[in-house]
Amino acid sequence: GDSVTQMEGPVTLSEEAFLTINCTYTATGYPSLFWYVQYPGEGLQLLLKATKADDKGSNKGFEATYRKETTSFHLEKGSVQVSDSAVYFCAMRGSNYKLTFGKGTLLTVNP
Amino acid sequence: ETGVTQTPRHLVMGMTNKKSLKCEQHLGHNAMYWYKQSAKKPLELMFVYNFKEQTENNSVPSRFSPECPNSSHLFLHLHTLQPEDSALYLCASSQERQMNTEAFFGQGTRLTVV
Repeated sequence: GDSVTQMEGPVTLSEEAFLTINCTYTATGYPSLFWYVQYPGEGLQLLLKATKADDKGSNKGFEATYRKETTSFHLEKGSVQVSDSAVYFCAMRGSNYKLTFGKGTLLTVNP
Repeated sequence: ETGVTQTPRHLVMGMTNKKSLKCEQHLGHNAMYWYKQSAKKPLELMFVYNFKEQTENNSVPSRFSPECPNSSHLFLHLHTLQPEDSALYLCASSQERQMNTEAFFGQGTRLTVV
């Protein structure tokens, strides 16, 4: 069945460090892929998405590229800020239209 | 403004109480969802409604009773809950049968059962 695997956290970085959070998926067909962010005490917000192979989603300095050959959608940011501290969820919507989430990765950025 | 509004934001209830969580979406979506988010656990999908009809119930105990009177409103009725039901309950909506669309989430109701 469809599944999403993302790197276990927590991840702790210093401000201005480079961020990568790995995400891989298992699906039949070609799903749409999403990254959501959850700030403390809030619901999930869409951060970026990609709906076909080689698409790059980007928002707020974050990027992720849909790699069909490696079934991956890794999240990257070149220089993180303290305000980026949050939980990040990778998700996919497959041919059954269900939205499947990874377990989430807690990111803490220290000044 | 996310387009999905949940009330209340916080709720404390005793194990013998009956309360309801409310969710409203203003996005014209036809699918609505309840999720449970507990500390140290993955996001759990509880219920799915498409066009007001329940299409998924992921083995949720009967002390949680959903209601979807129309495509814009979703309720979760709670009765005789247990302390382990304390969690953040998230409502979401989306346009169903469209693979390239995301779900929009409310800010959640933080429920504490005492």
